[in-house]
Amino acid sequence: NAGVTQTPKFQVLKTGQSMTLQCAQDMNHEYMSWYRQDPGMGLRLIHYSVGAGITDQGEVPNGYNVSRSTTEDFPLRLLSAAPSQTSVYFCASRIRASGGYTFGSGTRLTVV
Amino acid sequence: AQSVTQLDSQVPVFEEAPVELRCNYSSSVSVYLFWYVQYPNQGLQLLLKYLSGSTLVKGINGFEAEFNKSQTSFHLRKPSVHISDTAEYFCAVSETGANNLFFGTGTRLTVIP
Repeated sequence: NAGVTQTPKFQVLKTGQSMTLQCAQDMNHEYMSWYRQDPGMGLRLIHYSVGAGITDQGEVPNGYNVSRSTTEDFPLRLLSAAPSQTSVYFCASRIRASGGYTFGSGTRLTVV
Repeated sequence: AQSVTQLDSQVPVFEEAPVELRCNYSSSVSVYLFWYVQYPNQGLQLLLKYLSGSTLVKGINGFEAEFNKSQTSFHLRKPSVHISDTAEYFCAVSETGANNLFFGTGTRLTVIP
């Protein structure tokens, strides 16, 4: 049972480039979320999904897009990377609103 | 709007001493409360959660937390810490049935030999 798998683990982008951070879970969880973690700011919610075909914005959605075509996958797209998007990105899933999240191991993104 | 305040950004404590990590939240409705731990270069791992019922919640690795509705607090405690408890700890809150989970800024616990 792999849990939540994120790829890549590390990425360096140039300003203006686009990319997709991948997230997959094999626990049949309905809820999935993307967070970014910055020093001294904790984790901030970017986008979340409560099931296939359903997504919504979190606290800091600007510059990011998501889609949820299957229960398993929840990719995060950076449309035009900016240095302010340098961060560690975590994908997480949970079975229901009262359940604890299972987190992936993170993607460390640097935008130069 | 909900918010979570972790009052201490860093807590140093000697090995085998007790520790309390403080968490306060603001919400006008009923909430779910969580504590997570993050070891260096890893994702977050659930320590414990409060959904309803008994206000004292026991979690993994000997940690426990007490929900205090009147003080809107959910402090994390351990009676005797080990070197391996050195990590960052995050408190999180969501309104009952809501989809969003909001995190505090974290408390770095350092256990001193």
